[in-house]
Amino acid sequence: EIVMTQSPLSLPVTPGESASISCRSSQSLLHGNGYNYLDWYVQKPGQSPQLLIYLASNRASGVPDRFSGSGSATDFTLKISRVEAEDVGIYYCMQALQTPPLTFGGGTKVEIK
Amino acid sequence: DVQVVESGGGLAQPGGSLRLSCAASGFNLSRYSMNWVRQAPGKGLEWLSYINNSTTTIYYARSVKGRFTVSRDDARNSLTLHLSSLRDDDTAVYYCARSYGYFYDRSGYSYFYYGMDVWGQGTTVTVSS
Repeated sequence: EIVMTQSPLSLPVTPGESASISCRSSQSLLHGNGYNYLDWYVQKPGQSPQLLIYLASNRASGVPDRFSGSGSATDFTLKISRVEAEDVGIYYCMQALQTPPLTFGGGTKVEIK
Repeated sequence: DVQVVESGGGLAQPGGSLRLSCAASGFNLSRYSMNWVRQAPGKGLEWLSYINNSTTTIYYARSVKGRFTVSRDDARNSLTLHLSSLRDDDTAVYYCARSYGYFYDRSGYSYFYYGMDVWGQGTTVTVSS
Protein backbone atom coordinates (compact mmCIF):
# COMPACT_ATOMS: atom_id res chain seq x y z
CA GLU A 1 0.00 0.00 0.00
CA ILE A 2 1.27 3.47 -0.91
CA VAL A 3 1.26 5.79 2.09
CA MET A 4 0.58 9.47 1.45
CA THR A 5 1.83 12.09 3.90
CA GLN A 6 0.75 15.73 3.79
CA SER A 7 2.11 18.79 5.53
CA PRO A 8 1.31 21.02 7.19
CA LEU A 9 -1.78 19.84 9.03
CA SER A 10 -3.11 23.37 9.25
CA LEU A 11 -2.29 26.42 7.14
CA PRO A 12 -3.50 29.89 8.15
CA VAL A 13 -3.20 32.28 5.21
CA THR A 14 -3.70 36.00 4.71
CA PRO A 15 -5.99 36.81 1.75
CA GLY A 16 -3.98 37.77 -1.29
CA GLU A 17 -0.92 35.83 -0.21
CA SER A 18 0.14 32.43 -1.51
CA ALA A 19 -0.04 29.04 0.19
CA SER A 20 1.76 25.79 -0.47
CA ILE A 21 0.86 22.28 0.62
CA SER A 22 3.29 19.38 0.45
CA CYS A 23 2.42 15.77 -0.28
CA ARG A 24 4.87 12.89 -0.17
CA SER A 25 4.29 9.30 -1.25
CA SER A 26 6.03 6.19 0.09
CA GLN A 27 6.61 4.99 -3.49
CA SER A 28 7.18 6.79 -6.76
CA LEU A 29 3.99 7.82 -8.51
CA LEU A 30 5.75 8.21 -11.84
CA HIS A 31 4.11 5.88 -14.34
CA GLY A 32 6.05 4.38 -17.23
CA ASN A 33 4.21 6.77 -19.53
CA GLY A 34 5.95 9.75 -17.91
CA TYR A 35 2.94 11.03 -16.00
CA ASN A 36 2.70 11.27 -12.24
CA TYR A 37 -0.45 9.62 -10.96
CA LEU A 38 -1.42 12.10 -8.26
CA ASP A 39 -4.61 14.06 -7.61
CA TRP A 40 -5.46 17.01 -5.41
CA TYR A 41 -8.96 17.42 -4.01
CA VAL A 42 -10.54 20.11 -1.91
CA GLN A 43 -13.40 19.67 0.51
CA LYS A 44 -14.96 23.01 1.31
CA PRO A 45 -16.95 23.35 4.55
CA GLY A 46 -20.16 21.32 4.41
CA GLN A 47 -19.44 20.04 0.90
CA SER A 48 -18.23 16.86 -0.73
CA PRO A 49 -14.70 16.61 -2.12
CA GLN A 50 -14.05 17.98 -5.59
CA LEU A 51 -11.21 17.34 -7.99
CA LEU A 52 -8.73 20.22 -8.28
CA ILE A 53 -5.67 18.79 -10.00
CA TYR A 54 -5.09 15.47 -11.77
CA LEU A 55 -1.92 13.88 -13.10
CA ALA A 56 -0.03 16.10 -10.65
CA SER A 57 -0.26 19.32 -12.63
CA ASN A 58 -3.45 19.43 -14.70
CA ARG A 59 -6.25 21.65 -13.46
CA ALA A 60 -9.70 20.09 -13.50
CA SER A 61 -12.46 21.80 -15.43
CA GLY A 62 -13.49 25.12 -13.90
CA VAL A 63 -10.56 25.35 -11.48
CA PRO A 64 -9.05 28.86 -11.35
CA ASP A 65 -5.48 29.26 -12.55
CA ARG A 66 -4.55 30.43 -9.03
CA PHE A 67 -4.22 26.71 -8.29
CA SER A 68 -1.18 24.87 -9.58
CA GLY A 69 0.28 21.45 -8.96
CA SER A 70 3.89 20.44 -9.35
CA GLY A 71 6.34 17.73 -8.40
CA SER A 72 7.37 14.29 -9.50
CA ALA A 73 8.01 10.78 -8.20
CA THR A 74 7.48 11.07 -4.43
CA ASP A 75 7.33 14.82 -3.76
CA PHE A 76 4.43 17.01 -4.81
CA THR A 77 3.18 20.52 -4.08
CA LEU A 78 -0.12 22.28 -4.42
CA LYS A 79 0.23 26.04 -4.63
CA ILE A 80 -2.56 28.53 -4.22
CA SER A 81 -1.60 31.98 -5.45
CA ARG A 82 -3.51 34.99 -4.15
CA VAL A 83 -5.62 33.05 -1.65
CA GLU A 84 -9.26 34.07 -1.48
CA ALA A 85 -11.81 33.53 1.29
CA GLU A 86 -13.58 30.90 -0.85
CA ASP A 87 -10.42 28.73 -0.85
CA VAL A 88 -11.00 27.75 2.77
CA GLY A 89 -11.28 24.00 3.16
CA ILE A 90 -9.40 20.78 3.59
CA TYR A 91 -7.05 19.78 0.79
CA TYR A 92 -6.22 16.14 0.14
CA CYS A 93 -3.73 14.49 -2.15
CA MET A 94 -4.41 11.00 -3.46
CA GLN A 95 -2.26 8.51 -5.34
CA ALA A 96 -3.97 7.04 -8.39
CA LEU A 97 -1.16 4.74 -9.48
CA GLN A 98 -1.79 1.59 -7.50
CA THR A 99 -5.07 0.01 -6.51
CA PRO A 100 -6.25 -1.55 -4.41
CA PRO A 101 -6.18 0.55 -2.43
CA LEU A 102 -6.26 4.12 -3.67
CA THR A 103 -4.86 6.13 -0.79
CA PHE A 104 -5.31 9.69 0.42
CA GLY A 105 -3.13 11.96 2.45
CA GLY A 106 -4.41 13.00 5.85
CA GLY A 107 -5.50 16.42 4.65
CA THR A 108 -4.39 20.02 5.14
CA LYS A 109 -6.81 22.55 6.53
CA VAL A 110 -6.49 25.94 4.89
CA GLU A 111 -8.00 28.78 6.87
CA ILE A 112 -8.00 32.53 6.63
CA LYS A 113 -6.02 34.48 9.21
CA ASP B 1 -25.36 18.56 -15.54
CA VAL B 2 -23.06 15.66 -14.79
CA GLN B 3 -23.78 14.43 -11.29
CA VAL B 4 -24.17 11.45 -8.99
CA VAL B 5 -26.59 11.33 -6.08
CA GLU B 6 -26.29 8.89 -3.20
CA SER B 7 -29.16 7.60 -1.09
CA GLY B 8 -29.99 4.84 1.33
CA GLY B 9 -28.06 5.95 4.38
CA GLY B 10 -29.53 5.79 7.83
CA LEU B 11 -29.27 4.15 11.21
CA ALA B 12 -28.27 0.50 11.42
CA GLN B 13 -27.46 -1.77 14.33
CA PRO B 14 -24.07 -3.41 14.77
CA GLY B 15 -24.11 -6.60 12.75
CA GLY B 16 -26.87 -5.24 10.55
CA SER B 17 -27.08 -4.41 6.86
CA LEU B 18 -27.79 -1.43 4.68
CA ARG B 19 -27.95 -0.81 0.95
CA LEU B 20 -26.63 2.40 -0.53
CA SER B 21 -27.50 3.59 -4.02
CA CYS B 22 -25.86 6.02 -6.37
CA ALA B 23 -27.87 7.47 -9.24
CA ALA B 24 -25.95 8.92 -12.16
CA SER B 25 -27.28 11.62 -14.45
CA GLY B 26 -25.85 13.69 -17.28
CA PHE B 27 -23.56 10.91 -18.42
CA ASN B 28 -23.72 7.29 -19.51
CA LEU B 29 -22.78 5.27 -16.44
CA SER B 30 -22.03 2.20 -18.58
CA ARG B 31 -18.91 3.92 -19.94
CA TYR B 32 -17.36 4.65 -16.56
CA SER B 33 -15.73 2.90 -13.67
CA MET B 34 -17.01 3.95 -10.25
CA ASN B 35 -15.84 4.11 -6.67
CA TRP B 36 -17.13 4.36 -3.13
CA VAL B 37 -15.25 6.52 -0.63
CA ARG B 38 -16.19 7.25 2.96
CA GLN B 39 -15.39 9.83 5.61
CA ALA B 40 -15.83 9.06 9.29
CA PRO B 41 -16.87 11.99 11.51
CA GLY B 42 -14.00 14.48 11.77
CA LYS B 43 -11.68 12.22 9.79
CA GLY B 44 -10.15 12.10 6.32
CA LEU B 45 -11.14 10.26 3.16
CA GLU B 46 -10.98 6.49 2.87
CA TRP B 47 -11.36 4.72 -0.47
CA LEU B 48 -13.56 1.61 -0.14
CA SER B 49 -14.36 0.02 -3.47
CA TYR B 50 -13.93 0.18 -7.23
CA ILE B 51 -15.93 -1.43 -10.03
CA ASN B 52 -15.04 -1.10 -13.68
CA ASN B 53 -17.57 -0.44 -16.41
CA SER B 54 -17.93 -4.10 -17.38
CA THR B 55 -17.98 -5.42 -13.80
CA THR B 56 -15.00 -7.62 -14.65
CA THR B 57 -12.77 -5.84 -12.14
CA ILE B 58 -13.86 -5.15 -8.57
CA TYR B 59 -11.63 -4.05 -5.73
CA TYR B 60 -12.23 -3.52 -2.04
CA ALA B 61 -10.29 -1.96 0.79
CA ARG B 62 -9.11 -4.44 3.37
CA SER B 63 -11.33 -2.82 5.99
CA VAL B 64 -14.53 -3.77 4.15
CA LYS B 65 -13.59 -6.81 2.07
CA GLY B 66 -15.96 -9.68 2.75
CA ARG B 67 -18.54 -7.36 4.32
CA PHE B 68 -19.36 -4.85 1.56
CA THR B 69 -20.44 -5.69 -1.99
CA VAL B 70 -20.48 -3.32 -4.94
CA SER B 71 -22.67 -3.82 -7.99
CA ARG B 72 -24.04 -1.78 -10.85
CA ASP B 73 -27.17 -1.63 -12.97
CA ASP B 74 -26.28 0.29 -16.10
CA ALA B 75 -29.80 0.01 -17.47
CA ARG B 76 -30.92 2.08 -14.49
CA ASN B 77 -27.77 4.21 -14.50
CA SER B 78 -27.15 3.27 -10.90
CA LEU B 79 -24.52 1.85 -8.56
CA THR B 80 -25.12 -0.02 -5.32
CA LEU B 81 -23.04 -0.71 -2.25
CA HIS B 82 -24.40 -3.40 0.03
CA LEU B 83 -23.10 -3.09 3.58
CA SER B 84 -23.31 -6.05 5.93
CA SER B 85 -21.88 -7.11 9.29
CA LEU B 86 -21.79 -3.45 10.15
CA ARG B 87 -19.55 -2.20 12.93
CA ASP B 88 -19.49 1.03 14.91
CA ASP B 89 -16.47 2.21 12.93
CA ASP B 90 -18.43 2.00 9.68
CA THR B 91 -20.23 5.17 10.78
CA ALA B 92 -19.38 7.70 8.08
CA VAL B 93 -20.57 9.73 5.13
CA TYR B 94 -20.40 7.52 2.05
CA TYR B 95 -19.58 9.07 -1.31
CA CYS B 96 -20.00 7.68 -4.78
CA ALA B 97 -17.35 8.96 -7.21
CA ARG B 98 -16.70 8.48 -10.91
CA SER B 99 -13.26 7.46 -12.14
CA TYR B 100 -11.76 9.80 -14.70
CA GLY B 101 -11.27 7.01 -17.21
CA TYR B 102 -8.93 7.07 -20.20
CA PHE B 103 -6.65 9.92 -21.16
CA TYR B 104 -4.38 10.26 -24.19
CA ASP B 105 -0.74 11.21 -24.18
CA ARG B 106 0.94 13.37 -26.81
CA SER B 107 1.58 10.30 -28.98
CA GLY B 108 -2.07 9.32 -28.93
CA TYR B 109 -1.67 6.36 -26.61
CA SER B 110 -4.44 5.91 -24.06
CA TYR B 111 -4.03 5.10 -20.39
CA PHE B 112 -6.55 4.45 -17.69
CA TYR B 113 -6.67 6.86 -14.77
CA TYR B 114 -8.32 5.96 -11.45
CA GLY B 115 -8.57 9.55 -10.21
CA MET B 116 -12.10 10.63 -9.34
CA ASP B 117 -13.61 13.56 -11.22
CA VAL B 118 -17.28 13.55 -10.17
CA TRP B 119 -18.42 13.15 -6.56
CA GLY B 120 -21.84 12.99 -5.01
CA GLN B 121 -22.99 14.90 -1.94
CA GLY B 122 -22.79 11.76 0.20
CA THR B 123 -25.19 9.73 2.32
CA THR B 124 -24.73 9.27 6.06
CA VAL B 125 -24.55 5.85 7.68
CA THR B 126 -24.72 5.61 11.46
CA VAL B 127 -24.07 2.28 13.13
CA SER B 128 -25.26 2.23 16.71
CA SER B 129 -27.29 0.10 19.07
